[in-house]
Amino acid sequence: AQSVTQLDSHVSVSEGTPVLLRCNYSSSYSPSLFWYVQHPNKGLQLLLKYTSAATLVKGINGFEAEFKKSETSFHLTKPSAHMSDAAEYFCVVSENIFGNEKLTFGTGTRLTIIP
Amino acid sequence: GAVVSQHPSWVICKSGTSVKIECRSLDFQATTMFWYRQFPKQSLMLMATSNEGSKATYEQGVEKDKFLINHASLTLSTLTVTSAHPEDSSFYICSARDGATLYEQYFGPGTRLTVT
Repeated sequence: AQSVTQLDSHVSVSEGTPVLLRCNYSSSYSPSLFWYVQHPNKGLQLLLKYTSAATLVKGINGFEAEFKKSETSFHLTKPSAHMSDAAEYFCVVSENIFGNEKLTFGTGTRLTIIP
Repeated sequence: GAVVSQHPSWVICKSGTSVKIECRSLDFQATTMFWYRQFPKQSLMLMATSNEGSKATYEQGVEKDKFLINHASLTLSTLTVTSAHPEDSSFYICSARDGATLYEQYFGPGTRLTVT
């Protein structure tokens, strides 16, 4: 069975400083990993995805994540936070078993940007 | 990019009534659609997976007779909450997978259901 652990339920950073949102995963198979962002009362937007290609994945809005198999981690980073980055972030693991795909969501990390 | 819409975006209904939520893929054919439920300040929980033209597969603990899912075409899936109760109040989100794109689900904006 697959699982995702987001290590921080809430992260606060000052505008212009780096962002680090931590995610560890567990999977029996070679997983695909995603980061999604959700703004209040909005649907989910895909930030980036890892699907067994390059381990450093670049996404939208300056975000990137590095897949580290030895650490079973997929942390999300951004060099400089912007006020518009304030939102809920979900780390997601996907397994495709015999043609059936299932996404498992982490519990989310709320990112607050301090002006 | 691929767009998924949901209708309505929010709905209020009385206890005991039924409500239908639509999920549409606007510019691609969705061979598989997924329905999720999100409680306030919590993560998304998969309720069911539906493939076009076949019965939905429900996750453990989800009542299939209460949450009716129909996926009659490649662009439309519906979720009907039957005999709604206040505890069914939640944010319901659908996603659709493009048959031509592996490992990517496109999410709708969600429907907020309030049962009074």
